[in-house]
Amino acid sequence: DIQMTQSPSVLSASVGDRVTLSCKASQNINKNLDWYQQKLGEAPKLLIYFTNNLQTGIPSRFSGSGSGTDYTLTISSLQPEDVATYFCFQYNSGDTFGAGTKLELK
Amino acid sequence: QVQLKESGPGLVQPSETLSLTCTVSGFSLTSYSVSWVRQPSGKGPEWMGRMWYDGDTAYNSALKSRLSISRDTSKNQVFLKMNSLQTDDTGTYYCTRDATGSWDYWGQGVMVTVSS
Repeated sequence: DIQMTQSPSVLSASVGDRVTLSCKASQNINKNLDWYQQKLGEAPKLLIYFTNNLQTGIPSRFSGSGSGTDYTLTISSLQPEDVATYFCFQYNSGDTFGAGTKLELK
Repeated sequence: QVQLKESGPGLVQPSETLSLTCTVSGFSLTSYSVSWVRQPSGKGPEWMGRMWYDGDTAYNSALKSRLSISRDTSKNQVFLKMNSLQTDDTGTYYCTRDATGSWDYWGQGVMVTVSS
């Protein structure tokens, strides 16, 4: 099974900061990676699909990049409503999530 | 608009069988696949299995021996049955619309507690 490792597990940042979250796969996943945002008490929400495609309705401050085994979610200017846990998810072989990065305000 | 809603018991006895229903609206089960995902409290989600749009199924290898997914297209429903439940099966269970690997719509989730 493909393992997904997210780092850091917790990230504290200030409003307006540029924030970068990382996700590393145990093998090449051919860009078959999504990013989900989950706020407390809510279902996960799709942010980015196939590495770098912004889901409809998601603010343009979110972007994704990567290839092979290494992927990144970037928030260009952190907003208070972005406080959440972010999960990467690969569907290249089987379907597996990372353990998440909890994003907090400093 | 697209909606999914899970229903089922909130409490299941250990060793018993969990039965959940996902009722969908706003799309056809013959055009989109539906996946079941579960999430223990404070942990990451886990994909459980999928009902493909063509009626085929796929399961997480770790759960395959205990899990069954079926559907009734006339009622717009997808069903999950998992047997031999244990306490570590406790968590929130979601159904999601599966748009070729990306889950674009989710139900609100149903909390399932396995306890005697």
